[in-house]
Amino acid sequence: GAVVSQHPSRVICKSGTSVKIECRSLDFQATTMFWYRQFPKQSLMLMATSNEGSKATYEQGVEKDKFLINHASLTLSTLTVTSAHPEDSSFYICSAPRTSGGFETQYFGPGTRLLVL
Amino acid sequence: GESVGLHLPTLSVQEGDNSIINCAYSNSASDYFIWYKQESGKGPQFIIDIRSNMDKRQGQRVTVLLNKTVKHLSLQIAATQPGDSAVYFCADVSNFGNEKLTFGTGTRLTIIP
Repeated sequence: GAVVSQHPSRVICKSGTSVKIECRSLDFQATTMFWYRQFPKQSLMLMATSNEGSKATYEQGVEKDKFLINHASLTLSTLTVTSAHPEDSSFYICSAPRTSGGFETQYFGPGTRLLVL
Repeated sequence: GESVGLHLPTLSVQEGDNSIINCAYSNSASDYFIWYKQESGKGPQFIIDIRSNMDKRQGQRVTVLLNKTVKHLSLQIAATQPGDSAVYFCADVSNFGNEKLTFGTGTRLTIIP
């Protein structure tokens, strides 16, 4: 079954509004989560690393004031796209590392499709 | 910069045949590799992983081969089924414990019935 969930699965909003996307690890704790963006027919691009209890670290070129990340608990990270514009329309995916048998594997959420009109 | 890339963007295979998807990486410090399957409109799904101290690992109908000499990774899918149609990504972690993944461009695998 799924080990990482995202909500909502899809959202349509007007330009200028803010959208919050939630990422939850199920049945395990994640002090670190990752947020990716994926445009059609392209690969996943890491946007930022969400750190529980501290500030997120952003990849080069990603505006931290536009993509607000809050890691509120060991099972929840949120990504808020502020003042969304049509160019922010994309597929947003989170991941969380889970350790099993001494090894760590990244598990991905089902993604959130954002369409900004 | 260093990146993880794929040789072929698309691959079509007859149902029941075996398929091989290739991946080249350039970071010699990469020590952990993962193959993901992504179906349309869904998040990536973990398939199989391999660490740099191994050169082969097998799962259910899948085998990953790692050739560190030429920095090459491949995913073999045996007896392909229609449900195998998806985009396959390889990803690497250059510093185990860092947790950050670098994804390749992806290969779209289409299984022909």
